[in-house]
This record gives sequence, structure tokens and C-alpha cells, in this order.
Amino acid sequence: GAVVSQHPSRVICKSGTSVKIECRSLDFQATTMFWYRQFPKQSLMLMATSNEGSKATYEQGVEKDKFLINHASLTLSTLTVTSAHPEDSSFYICSASRGGRSYGYTFGSGTRLTVV
Amino acid sequence: TQLLEQSPQFLSIQEGENLTVYCNSSSVFSSLQWYRQEPGEGPVLLVTVVTGGEVKKLKRLTFQFGDARKDSSLHITAAQPGDTGLYLCAGATNAGKSTFGDGTTLTVKP
Repeated sequence: GAVVSQHPSRVICKSGTSVKIECRSLDFQATTMFWYRQFPKQSLMLMATSNEGSKATYEQGVEKDKFLINHASLTLSTLTVTSAHPEDSSFYICSASRGGRSYGYTFGSGTRLTVV
Repeated sequence: TQLLEQSPQFLSIQEGENLTVYCNSSSVFSSLQWYRQEPGEGPVLLVTVVTGGEVKKLKRLTFQFGDARKDSSLHITAAQPGDTGLYLCAGATNAGKSTFGDGTTLTVKP
């Protein structure tokens, strides 16, 4: 159990366009999902916490107008990178948890974004 | 900000050797997770420890949570090339947010 699906796995877009990444919990409901960014050979950097039915909570230094997060249902959160630029190229990963101390977080398989 | 220091950052060993990765913090966590990540993939949960002093074994991997729930270790016995990857520890707070260590890149040479 506890499967998180992330789509797309890879996307190449032109500079100035917007890209939407989806994160779905397939077999459980997630009131909270997390979005991370990861640079090569580095750890995960938390960007924001996505809350179902309310506004996302962004970490310091993350532009909320650039990285739009929508958590419209208990199984779906989306991250939209708006007006993408080459410096936004990165590996984006979402995660969700069933909840409770005994459960870790299940991660999506990640999205490799390349802005050209 | 709750920081998790993970060491070593890089580790390259021969097949059959043993190794230990450490995860230390000055903060107390309600639980701590260890993940393994392969290039181009999301991290995969290996184990969650929740009780101070807890030891969990997963085949050749042994995980320990410190008595004070501030630190943890991952020990691999007789490492194999398939163990190669990025190992991440993550401490979770009661608020539900996880803090990740900087990761340990392990390379096991055949």
C-alpha cells in the first residue's frame, strides 16, 4: 500500500511557458502533500506543504507566485511552474504520508524538468 | 530550523565490506526514516523508527534510533553493488514536517 504517482516523469519546455506536475496518492487519502526540489547529488529541499482545501505553505525563499500549488482533493496535488526559466530546471518530487508516527513518507518517482 | 547532519557524505567501498552511515541532530524527532534513492527516481522508504533505542533489521541493513531520539545509524553488512545509491535520513516532527539529511552517496565496487 501507500503508492504515490507523479506525472510526468520528464518534461522539456520552452523558456517562458508554464508546466504542471501532478502528484496522486493512489490507495490512500492525503490531506497534506509535500513538494521538494533536488539538485544533482544533493538532498531534497522542501519547497512547500500542500494542504487540501486551503493555501499551500511555502518555505522561505520559495516564490509562491512562481510555484503554484493546488490541492483540490484528498488524492491530488499539482505544482505549476509558471513562466519557467532555465534556472528552474531541476528534479521535482512530491511526497505524502498515511499519517501517524509509524509511517514514513511515500515519494513519487519525480519529474525531471528541463527548460530550454 | 531542525538540522540533520549526515555522515559521511560520500563513501566508496569494495563488495563484501561493512559500512555505517550516521545521522545526527540536536533536535528530538517523533520518528526517523531512512530512504534509498537511485538516480532519476524518487526516494524509497527503507525503515521508520519511532522508539528511542529501537533497532530494526532489514536483511543486511541494521537501523538504530538513539535513546534520545536525536540520532540514528544505518549499518550495512557485506555490501553489494546493488546497495549503491543515495541514502537519506529524515526526521519527522509531530507537526508532520520532515527534515532531510544531506545524504550519503554510497558506491559499492564489485
